[in-house]
Amino acid sequence: EAGVAQSPRYKIIEKRQSVAFWCNPISGHATLYWYQQILGQGPKLLIQFQNNGVVDDSQLPKDRFSAERLKGVDSTLKIQPAKLEDSAVYLCASSPTGSPTEQYFGPGTRLTVT
Amino acid sequence: KNEVEQSPQNLTAQEGEFITINCSYSVGISALHWLQQHPGGGIVSLFMLSSGKKKHGRLIATINIQEKHSSLHITASHPRDSAVYICAVRYTGNQFYFGTGTSLTVIP
Repeated sequence: EAGVAQSPRYKIIEKRQSVAFWCNPISGHATLYWYQQILGQGPKLLIQFQNNGVVDDSQLPKDRFSAERLKGVDSTLKIQPAKLEDSAVYLCASSPTGSPTEQYFGPGTRLTVT
Repeated sequence: KNEVEQSPQNLTAQEGEFITINCSYSVGISALHWLQQHPGGGIVSLFMLSSGKKKHGRLIATINIQEKHSSLHITASHPRDSAVYICAVRYTGNQFYFGTGTSLTVIP
């Protein structure tokens, strides 16, 4: 079974630029999560999707961050414009329907904002 | 408040040593995960616990529901065990809360 795929793996941008990350969850997983992990901290949930609907986006900085999962499969997370404090690893995870306690993580995208 | 605390924050061990990483949480949970994160950033789920004890190879995870505490043990540690180990708990609802991680370095 293929795991959660993310791209790119690494990205370096200047502040005020825009960036987008892509995630393809495990086939059949209805729930998809985006996490932000700043160096030295645990992951923080940014947004959770159930199919193509948003379940929780309370910690998403909506003035600059946006995410979509239009067809209920893969998802994109965008930052526009980026700030220095957005430098972090962005992790995507998915859960199978009926098993929300299982989360499978992707390899992450390491973003550096200069 | 849904807090997850891990200790120690950093740990250096000699190859072969027995290692323990601790996790405590504040209220009742439905599940607890131990995760391993390597320097590239990817996370692998090691264990999911709701009670008792689980063992996989040299890794052992225990949870005490009454004391709201879990431990991850590594027997006969090896340099390839060097990683960040993260405790994550799920309270009611679907959201996970993560500890800040324990950075383990095993020296040959």
